[in-house]
Amino acid sequence: KQEVTQIPAALSVPEGENLVLNCSFTDSAIYNLQWFRQDPGKGLTSLLLIQSSQREQTSGRLNASLDKSSGRSTLYIAASQPGDSATYLCAVRRGGETSGSRLTFGEGTQLTVNP
Amino acid sequence: ETGVTQTPRHLVMGMTNKKSLKCEQHLGHNAMYWYKQSAKKPLELMFVYNFKEQTENNSVPSRFSPECPNSSHLFLHLHTLQPEDSALYLCASSRVGNSYNEQFFGPGTRLTVL
Repeated sequence: KQEVTQIPAALSVPEGENLVLNCSFTDSAIYNLQWFRQDPGKGLTSLLLIQSSQREQTSGRLNASLDKSSGRSTLYIAASQPGDSATYLCAVRRGGETSGSRLTFGEGTQLTVNP
Repeated sequence: ETGVTQTPRHLVMGMTNKKSLKCEQHLGHNAMYWYKQSAKKPLELMFVYNFKEQTENNSVPSRFSPECPNSSHLFLHLHTLQPEDSALYLCASSRVGNSYNEQFFGPGTRLTVL
């Protein structure tokens, strides 16, 4: 059974700092990995999706890397801003199925960026 | 806001009530999902529908009854719920057959069972 772990569970940083969020998964047979952002009481916003054949994806100040063989992904946020405060979720899709994607989620990292 | 909408956004119900949650996607997707998010726990997949056919029921109690009349609409019918069913219920959609199969989520329904 796939298990996804995110470290740290919570993180508080001053504005402007670069930071790294970590995600690890137990079964390396994944199809892709997705990073989401969730604001309090709201739904999920997809940030980046990395296919299993890719090493990294970038969007603006965000960079996500994937090391499938070691079961790890990192989300790098450059020059953090108070608006980045949210919970960041990592989810892996298991490979092989064609009828919809089954995502396994981590518990998330709650990020607070202080002005 | 995304192309996935959910109503109502908040719902309070007693254990003997019957209510329904609604999800609608405007993205032309063909797969839809229900997730449950409880405090301090990872999101849990409940149901998956692909082209209106249920392809997964993740051991969900029968007091939760999904319905997918077409590829754009998904319902979750609730009856005789328990207080521990209080959670944020999230709907998502994706396009099966697309190699990315990226899921897009709605804003969720915050359910409180008294």
